Amino acid sequence: SQTIHQWPATLVQPVGSPLSLECTVEGTSNPNLYWYRQAAGRGLQLLFYSVGIGQISSEVPQNLSASRPQDRQFILSSKKLLLSDSGFYLCAWSVLAGYQETQYFGPGTRLLVL
Amino acid sequence: GNSVTQMEGPVTLSEEAFLTINCTYTATGYPSLFWYVQYPGEGLQLLLKATKADDKGSNKGFEATYRKETTSFHLEKGSVQVSDSAVYFCALMGLTGNQFYFGTGTSLTVIP
Repeated sequence: SQTIHQWPATLVQPVGSPLSLECTVEGTSNPNLYWYRQAAGRGLQLLFYSVGIGQISSEVPQNLSASRPQDRQFILSSKKLLLSDSGFYLCAWSVLAGYQETQYFGPGTRLLVL
Repeated sequence: GNSVTQMEGPVTLSEEAFLTINCTYTATGYPSLFWYVQYPGEGLQLLLKATKADDKGSNKGFEATYRKETTSFHLEKGSVQVSDSAVYFCALMGLTGNQFYFGTGTSLTVIP
């Protein structure tokens, strides 16, 4: 069966510090991968998605970047965090089966920038 | 373009009450529709889905029917429990794939 891991679970970082959040998927090949941010009490904002190694699409201009160095690894980064980067970051994967696709989410990383 | 509109929360119900969370969508063609649930401090879990008109998705006592004529996918449960307290998200996958569109979420609190 497929599983998705995210770490760390919780992170407190000072403004201006770098960030690296990691997401890995097991039990599937060539998944589509996604990074979302959920601000407190708000909905989901799609940040990045990737359909293959080295292929990244960005949905919104921002302080963050994403990379996919391996098929089942998706990394969210920042060189200098802003206060507004605080939130709950969710990684998700999906595989297209015919015309059907379902997204499955990781447990999330809670980031607090102080 | 594609979008999802869901009922504003928060919703507070007593245990065993009937639940409806409304969700309507805008999309080209016949998208796939989903309900996800997020328990406090956790990621989203797929609750149910429907991939074509008139399909009914169901899981854990929750149901939702894909209504093409009203472009709706309302979530219902006949008798809620305290353990159903969570945030519920309606979502749509467009025909082109790779893009999911989520509603803003509806917070449900069930009190004993």
